[in-house]
Parts: sequence; C-alpha cells; structure tokens
Amino acid sequence: NAGVTQTPKFRILKIGQSMTLQCTQDMNHNYMYWYRQDPGMGLKLIYYSVGAGITDKGEVPNGYNVSRSTTEDFPLRLELAAPSQTSVYFCASNALTEAFFGQGTRLTVV
Amino acid sequence: TQLLEQSPQFLSIQEGENLTVYCNSSSVFSSLQWYRQEPGEGPVLLVTVVTGGEVKKLKRLTFQFGDARKDSSLHITAAQPGDTGLYLCAGENTGGFKTIFGAGTRLFVKA
Repeated sequence: NAGVTQTPKFRILKIGQSMTLQCTQDMNHNYMYWYRQDPGMGLKLIYYSVGAGITDKGEVPNGYNVSRSTTEDFPLRLELAAPSQTSVYFCASNALTEAFFGQGTRLTVV
Repeated sequence: TQLLEQSPQFLSIQEGENLTVYCNSSSVFSSLQWYRQEPGEGPVLLVTVVTGGEVKKLKRLTFQFGDARKDSSLHITAAQPGDTGLYLCAGENTGGFKTIFGAGTRLFVKA
C-alpha cells in the first residue's frame, strides 16, 4: 500500500516559471490537502478538497491553483514562481481523524 | 480564523527529564491530533483526542484534551534522545473539512 505519493521530491525553479506538484493517494480518501512548511515552522494550509470536483482555499492560497478531477489525484499548480514560494510542500489525505502525508516536495525558487 | 498556538517553540533537555508542551486556541475543535515530524519526512500521527477531558497514554507520552475542546497538552516522561523531533498539534474544525496545524514545538533531547 503506497499511501500518499508526491513527485518530484526536489525542484529548483527560476522566478516566473511554472510547475505542477503531483500528489496521488491509493486509500480512496475523499479529503485531500496541500500544505507548505517553511523552515522551522508548522504547516500552512494552501488548498483542500472534500471530493472529486470540489476544492476550496485554505490559509495561504495566493499564487497557487488546484484541481481534483479524480479521487486519487490532487495536483498543485504554481503559475508564476516567486522566491516567497520557496518551501517544502506536503500533500495529505484524511481518513476521519488522521491525516496521512506524503514525503514532501522541496521547492527552491531562484 | 481558527488558530492553534503551541508553546514552547523550542525545548532542549537532558535525557531522563520530563516535559510538557501545550497547544491552545480560542476556537473549539471537533478533534485534535498530535503529530511528530522528523527531518526530511512528513508528519506521522501519534494520537487523536475527541472528547473534552480525554486523556490518552502512549508509552511514556500522555495526551490530554481540554474540557472545552480548545486546548491540549502532551507530557513526556523520562525523555530519550529518540524523542527528538518536531511535535505538531492539529485541529479539525467543527465542519470536519479542514485540518489546521500549530507552528510546532521543536524538542531536542541530549544524551
């Protein structure tokens, strides 16, 4: 059972470039989340989804977009990368009262 | 906006000492979880508390949910170097859709 899988694990982007962070889960969870974690800090919620076709903004959605066409996949899109988006990004899916996390994507914008 | 505040932010102690970390909010949560995160990894669930006043024990770790379901504490007895890590509390809002995290308590246990 793979759980939550994120790709890529590392990426360096130039300012203004775009990219998609991929997230897939094989546990048939309806709830999925994207968080960012800055050095030494906790997690900030970017976007979340309560099911296929339904997404909503979290605490820090500016500069990001998401889609949820299937239960399994929840990609996060950065359209115009900025240095402030340098962070570690975690995708998670939720089964009632437990969130399962991917291993993270470390993104650096230079 | 629901906010979870954790204290202390950083704690460095000797092996064998006891410690307590706190997670406080002005909002009511339907449940609260504690996670532990090691460098380069995602958070891993330690415990979920659901009922006000609930106490759960996990070996040397004791978790308590406040009576009003607005706060929680994690107590570690006889800390060991293997307890070193970032401890995060997270609350489910009453709608159950969002999981909000605190900023974490970074614990370092010296041998």
